[in-house]
Amino acid sequence: NAGVTQTPKFQVLKTGQSMTLQCAQDMNHNSMYWYRQDPGMGLRLIYYSASEGTTDKGEVPNGYNVSRLNKREFSLRLESAAPSQTSVYFCASSLLGGFEANQPQHFGDGTRLSIL
Amino acid sequence: GENVEQHPSTLSVQEGDSAVIKCTYSDSASNYFPWYKQELGKGPQLIIDIRSNVGEKKDQRIAVTLNKTAKHFSLHITETQPEDSAVYFCAASYRSSNTGKLIFGQGTTLQVKP
Repeated sequence: NAGVTQTPKFQVLKTGQSMTLQCAQDMNHNSMYWYRQDPGMGLRLIYYSASEGTTDKGEVPNGYNVSRLNKREFSLRLESAAPSQTSVYFCASSLLGGFEANQPQHFGDGTRLSIL
Repeated sequence: GENVEQHPSTLSVQEGDSAVIKCTYSDSASNYFPWYKQELGKGPQLIIDIRSNVGEKKDQRIAVTLNKTAKHFSLHITETQPEDSAVYFCAASYRSSNTGKLIFGQGTTLQVKP
């Protein structure tokens, strides 16, 4: 049982390049999330998808776009990468996303992205 | 806005001692408080969680306490072992567009010395 799978694990980009980070979960979860992790700042929510067909902005959405391709897959796109987007990106999923649901989020192992 | 403060940022203990990590949150409506452990090169892994209708929860050597009045919650690890060395994150739920999201603390690096 793989859980949440992220690809690639590492990537180096040049400023201005674009790329898509892939995420897939096999737990039949409804909600999916993208976070970035920077030293001393914990995890910050970029975008989330409460259910298939919906997406919404989190705390730090600028410079990113997302696509909920189907129930399993949720991708994050950097259209024009900037050095400030150097970070570790984590995808997570939960069974339900409602405020009263209180469902734990399950994380992938991350994509380490460096932008030169 | 919503905020979670986590202390200390680093914690070093001797094997067998106890470790305590504390978090405070700002949104009085928060109702779910998970704790995650992150090992080097891995994603955060849920180790224990507590809901707002419960004051304490234990799972073997790990316990979490919640004080809703003071808006703080704590992680207690007893009889620490070297494999407990990791970064620990607390989180609190908040409501946005009727969706439950998490806001995370800044993390605590725990080192357990053999």
